[in-house]
Amino acid sequence: AQSVTQPDIHITVSEGASLELRCNYSYGATPYLFWYVQSPGQGLQLLLKYFSGDTLVQGIKGFEAEFKRSQSSFNLRKPSVHWSDAAEYFCAVGGRNTNAGKSTFGDGTTLTVKP
Amino acid sequence: DTAVSQTPKYLVTQMGNDKSIKCEQNLGHDTMYWYKQDSKKFLKIMFSYNNKELIINETVPNRFSPKSPDKAHLNLHINSLELGDSAVYFCASSQTDRHGYTFGSGTRLTVV
Repeated sequence: AQSVTQPDIHITVSEGASLELRCNYSYGATPYLFWYVQSPGQGLQLLLKYFSGDTLVQGIKGFEAEFKRSQSSFNLRKPSVHWSDAAEYFCAVGGRNTNAGKSTFGDGTTLTVKP
Repeated sequence: DTAVSQTPKYLVTQMGNDKSIKCEQNLGHDTMYWYKQDSKKFLKIMFSYNNKELIINETVPNRFSPKSPDKAHLNLHINSLELGDSAVYFCASSQTDRHGYTFGSGTRLTVV
């Protein structure tokens, strides 16, 4: 069965500081991996995805993530955080040609940005 | 044009009532989903349809019944609502497994 762990429930960073949100997954083969952002009262928006190739993927809003097979991780990074990045962030793992496209989500990390 | 639209956005109802939530996507995606987000923001899949065919039916009470009249629409009907059904329900669609989801803005259901 596929699963995702986001070890940090809540992270606070200062505006302009760098950010790294952690994600560890469990899956029997190379998974599809995703990061989503949810602003208050909104639906989830896809930030970036990994399915093959270059293990460093670029996304929208200046985010990037790196797939590390040896560590079963897919951490999200941003070099300089803006106040508008304050939101809930979800990592998700999806199966390849199994589970009919079902994605399993982590429990989320709440990002607070200090001025 | 909204890609995935859900109605209503808010739904307040009494215990025991029956209610429906509608979802429509104009992206041409074949697969649609219902997810439930609880008060702690945990997301759990409920159902998935591929081109009108039910393909995922997680452990959900049979009071919840999805219906897909065509591949652009996936509705959720809930019978005999209970307090524990209060949550935000998200509809989503996807092109293929590797593309990720496009989510609707959610329906906040409150059962009183």
